Amino acid sequence: DVKVTQSSRYLVKRTGEKVFLECVQDMDHENMFWYRQDPGLGLRLIYFSYDVKMKEKGDIPEGYSVSREKKERFSLILESASTNQTSMYLCASSPSQYSPLHFGNGTRLTVT
Amino acid sequence: QQQVKQSPQSLIVQKGGISIINCAYENTAFDYFPWYQQFPGKGPALLIAIRPDVSEKKEGRFTISFNKSAKQFSLHIMDSQPGDSATYFCAARPPYNTDKLIFGTGTRLQVFP
Repeated sequence: DVKVTQSSRYLVKRTGEKVFLECVQDMDHENMFWYRQDPGLGLRLIYFSYDVKMKEKGDIPEGYSVSREKKERFSLILESASTNQTSMYLCASSPSQYSPLHFGNGTRLTVT
Repeated sequence: QQQVKQSPQSLIVQKGGISIINCAYENTAFDYFPWYQQFPGKGPALLIAIRPDVSEKKEGRFTISFNKSAKQFSLHIMDSQPGDSATYFCAARPPYNTDKLIFGTGTRLQVFP
């Protein structure tokens, strides 16, 4: 079974802090994704990566950056957290095009 | 043109009834339409998916109906069970060679005994 592990289930951070959300997958998948889930807005893609050190912007990249130094690990970085970044963050991976996305259980981030 | 519109936002169905969730898209070049199911506290998981060259796909109690001319697709859950209570997301893949999915806004389904 594919396992996508997000390091924290809940995080509370202060405005202006630098925040790291970590995600690890154990199935050697090429593709990794960060989505943000908000009520009434569904899942919105922040960034994705097709390979180590490669990244592409999704639909809402502003205020975020990512890092993929190893194939199994994809980090989402909030350079200076703001209250409008309070949300559920979901990491996903997939082996190739048309393959299902495998999601982690999410990190609920609160920025106060 | 890259949006996927999903309705209703929430749905309450009695056990044994049929649950129907609808999605509409604008870009006729979308080439893959999956549905994801999310239980509370969990990430979404693929439920069923369809390509635009077929009009219907059935897996157990779950059926996708696809209307290419109307640019609509829907999920039907037959004999709905309390265990089907979850949030459902439709999605569509843009026509450029990537794994990127565009998701609908989600439907919270509650099935009561």
